[in-house]
Amino acid sequence: QKEVEQNSGPLSVPEGAIASLNCTYSDRVSQSFFWYRQYSGKSPELIMSIYSNGDKEDGRFTAQLNKASQYVSLLIRDSQPSDSATYLCAVSNDYKLSFGAGTTVTVRA
Amino acid sequence: SAVISQKPSRDICQRGTSLTIQCQVDSQVTMMFWYRQQPGQSLTLIATANQGSEATYESGFVIDKFPISRPNLTFSTLTVSNLSPEDSSIYLCSAQGPNQPQHFGDGTRLSIL
Repeated sequence: QKEVEQNSGPLSVPEGAIASLNCTYSDRVSQSFFWYRQYSGKSPELIMSIYSNGDKEDGRFTAQLNKASQYVSLLIRDSQPSDSATYLCAVSNDYKLSFGAGTTVTVRA
Repeated sequence: SAVISQKPSRDICQRGTSLTIQCQVDSQVTMMFWYRQQPGQSLTLIATANQGSEATYESGFVIDKFPISRPNLTFSTLTVSNLSPEDSSIYLCSAQGPNQPQHFGDGTRLSIL
């Protein structure tokens, strides 16, 4: 049983649209949640962290967390071609991260 | 966030040899980790590098194959031993400061002939 599941991709969105990425996790005691962006051939780059229920906004990115549903999401507003990448959901209940398989997003110009 | 330097960035090695990867952080961090990312897949934690003591390995990874050192708070090495084609992967170092999320080095792309 996978610990972290992400919606299967690839996800293709037109430029300017909202990209919606979903992630569920199985460990109910998880405390910390992260979204990393990984461009092809590059290492993961942290774009969002969220620790409490609700929404957290940072520029065009909004992370949403619902611990009761064991669900975390990432919205990318006004998607740009530079947002084309694989987005990795990561979950932690101590110091170790468990990663989802990733969702590849392609933004069409 | 800390700057994490990893080297080599890539290497091509012969079967049966070993490769040591270095990871240097520009500031003192609490935790350092080593991950593997096989082609087209997500990240899998190999081990937590503990300063001055043996690393803590995840299920499926053993010290004989992946010896790790961390002599101080800012430096760690991962050796991949007795290389086989199945070891062809990207190996990533990450570091975490107090109450900070993990950040990653640029990775080492390893190919086995």
